[in-house]
Amino acid sequence: DQQVKQNSPSLSVQEGRISILNCDYTNSMFDYFLWYKKYPAEGPTFLISISSIKDKNEDGRFTVFLNKSAKHLSLHIVPSQPGDSAVYFCAASYLSGGYQKVTFGTGTKLQVIP
Amino acid sequence: SQTIHQWPATLVQPVGSPLSLECTVEGTSNPNLYWYRQAAGRGLQLLFYSVGIGQISSEVPQNLSASRPQDRQFILSSKKLLLSDSGFYLCALTGLTPYEQYFGPGTRLTVT
Repeated sequence: DQQVKQNSPSLSVQEGRISILNCDYTNSMFDYFLWYKKYPAEGPTFLISISSIKDKNEDGRFTVFLNKSAKHLSLHIVPSQPGDSAVYFCAASYLSGGYQKVTFGTGTKLQVIP
Repeated sequence: SQTIHQWPATLVQPVGSPLSLECTVEGTSNPNLYWYRQAAGRGLQLLFYSVGIGQISSEVPQNLSASRPQDRQFILSSKKLLLSDSGFYLCALTGLTPYEQYFGPGTRLTVT
């Protein structure tokens, strides 16, 4: 059962335009959401996060939006740059058994075209 | 700052052979450590986590096992590899907040 879903395996965007990556989740226990960026043959790196008590968090060119009623979050990158080309993983987390259980989506490969 | 080392970076092993992947961390004490696997076309799957020496919890039943002999060492093992064990194995630790995780560079395992 995939509790965190990224239904778009890939996305192509022109440089300078907005990139919107989407993520849906099913488990109501999730209370913290994160986005990770991954380059080939490297480990993922943390990008941005949002608590379930908020609906928006912004960090420079990156903004994450959370719609709890729809169990949906999205990552906006504005403006998109070629260096943003990578695989983006959505992740959702909640406290379970004394540790923070993180569930990852399958990833969306973003290609920013110069 | 925290640093995660993983080796080897790449590994090709025949089916039925044993496996040992090592993860060591620097710059932190008593970290929560995790092993993830990314199989082809799939997301990151949590395999094991450890909150301390000798404390291992498994998320999914599988052909693999994990051990934590020292505070900053986490080992992933198998007695007999299967083709389905191929993938990109990542070690991670909890970051500045309990929600964020920092990942190592990973090990690409190909079982032939």
